[in-house]
Amino acid sequence: GENVEQHPSTLSVQEGDSAVIKCTYSDSASNYFPWYKQELGKRPQLIIDIRSNVGEKKDQRIAVTLNKTAKHFSLHITETQPEDSAVYFCAAPPSGSARQLTFGSGTQLTVLP
Amino acid sequence: SQTIHQWPATLVQPVGSPLSLECTVEGTSNPNLYWYRQAAGRGLQLLFYSVGIGQISSEVPQNLSASRPQDRQFILSSKKLLLSDSGFYLCAWSVFGTGEQYFGPGTRLTVT
Repeated sequence: GENVEQHPSTLSVQEGDSAVIKCTYSDSASNYFPWYKQELGKRPQLIIDIRSNVGEKKDQRIAVTLNKTAKHFSLHITETQPEDSAVYFCAAPPSGSARQLTFGSGTQLTVLP
Repeated sequence: SQTIHQWPATLVQPVGSPLSLECTVEGTSNPNLYWYRQAAGRGLQLLFYSVGIGQISSEVPQNLSASRPQDRQFILSSKKLLLSDSGFYLCAWSVFGTGEQYFGPGTRLTVT
């Protein structure tokens, strides 16, 4: 099955700085890589995703990059704001399946004002 | 647009009592449905998923069960709750073949 490792587990940045969270996956057949943001007490929200036919995708201040050869993908948040503080989860489907997602263990991002 | 509902929002139950959590999806047909559990400060553990009415796949052996009596309804049950069943239960749906999953608001269960 798929194994997704996420680093770091906690990350503190100053407001306005950039934050980078990295995930590695084990199944080379995986072809879809979403990122979720979960604020305290709330549901995880899909914020950006990337499919294996592209290397980078941007949406305003957030971007995701994918390196299929190295089997890792990263979330980049630029010009961080206090409202970016949350737990971020990466995920990947096991064995290229479109039915399930294996989630990383999460990164607690704190943006210090 | 699609909407996913869960109820109740919060629940406090004694050990040994039964459990029934419900999830419904609006605005889509034949969705894949999922139940996840999240312990305090932890990650997302997939419990069950379903690709159609009456079709349930279990990911973790435990005292929980799931049923899908209708296309857009997913129910999580237990006959006897354990203390370790406490957590945040999240239902999710996805469109077949896309991989994208969208979560409901969750049920916070405390077993006392």
